[in-house]
Amino acid sequence: DVKVTQSSRYLVKRTGEKVFLECVQDMDHENMFWYRQDPGLGLRLIYFSYDVKMKEKGDIPEGYSVSREKKERFSLILESASTNQTSMYLCASSPRGGQGILRQYFGPGTRLTVT
Amino acid sequence: QKEVEQDPGPLSVPEGAIVSLNCTYSNSAFQYFMWYRQYSRKGPELLMYTYSSGNKEDGRFTAQVDKSSKYISLFIRDSQPSDSATYLCAMSATAGNTGKLIFGQGTTLQVKP
Repeated sequence: DVKVTQSSRYLVKRTGEKVFLECVQDMDHENMFWYRQDPGLGLRLIYFSYDVKMKEKGDIPEGYSVSREKKERFSLILESASTNQTSMYLCASSPRGGQGILRQYFGPGTRLTVT
Repeated sequence: QKEVEQDPGPLSVPEGAIVSLNCTYSNSAFQYFMWYRQYSRKGPELLMYTYSSGNKEDGRFTAQVDKSSKYISLFIRDSQPSDSATYLCAMSATAGNTGKLIFGQGTTLQVKP
C-alpha cells in the first residue's frame, strides 16, 4: 500500500517560531509537493521538487522554504510563523514521466494553528 | 478571477440520486482534467482523469469535459453514503514535470441513507 506520511496531524505554534513540517513517501517518487488548503480557496501550491536538492516555487512561496536532502523526504519550513499561516498543509508525491504529475498521492495533512 | 471555479456546496442528496459536480475554468491552455476525492481528515485521492474533451466512465462515475465551454463535470450514479466527501477538480496545461495542478475550491457532498 503506497504511503505518504506527515510528521504531525495537529500542531500549535506561537507567532515568530520556526516551524518544520516533515513529509516522507515510500513509493520512490521523484516529485514531491507542498500545498496549503483553506476554506473557499482550495489547494494552493507552495513549493515542489522534482529531484533531490531541487526545488521550484509554487503559487504562494512567500514566508516558506523547503528542503529535500533525500529522495523520500521533503520538508516545509516556516522561518517565522505568522497567524496567516494557520492552515491545513498537505504533502504529495508523484512519479516522474508517464503523466505522473497528474497522479499525485497525498498525505493525511497537518493542521497548523499559529497563535 | 480564479482560474478554476467550483461551487463549494454543501450538496446534500438522498441515497440513489444522480449527483452532478461542476467546475468552470478560464485558461484555455488546460488539457488535463482530474477529479480528486477527499474524505474527512484524509488527503485527496485521484478518482479519475481525462485528456482534452469527451467523456470517461468508471463504474458509477462519469467525467465529462467540454473545452469549448470551459466546463467540466463529474456525475455519480446511484450515489451511496460512502460517496460523502469533498470533491476537488484539478487541471493542468501539461503532464510534463514543468506542469502543475490548479485546484478548484472543492464541493462537499453528503449522501443521506
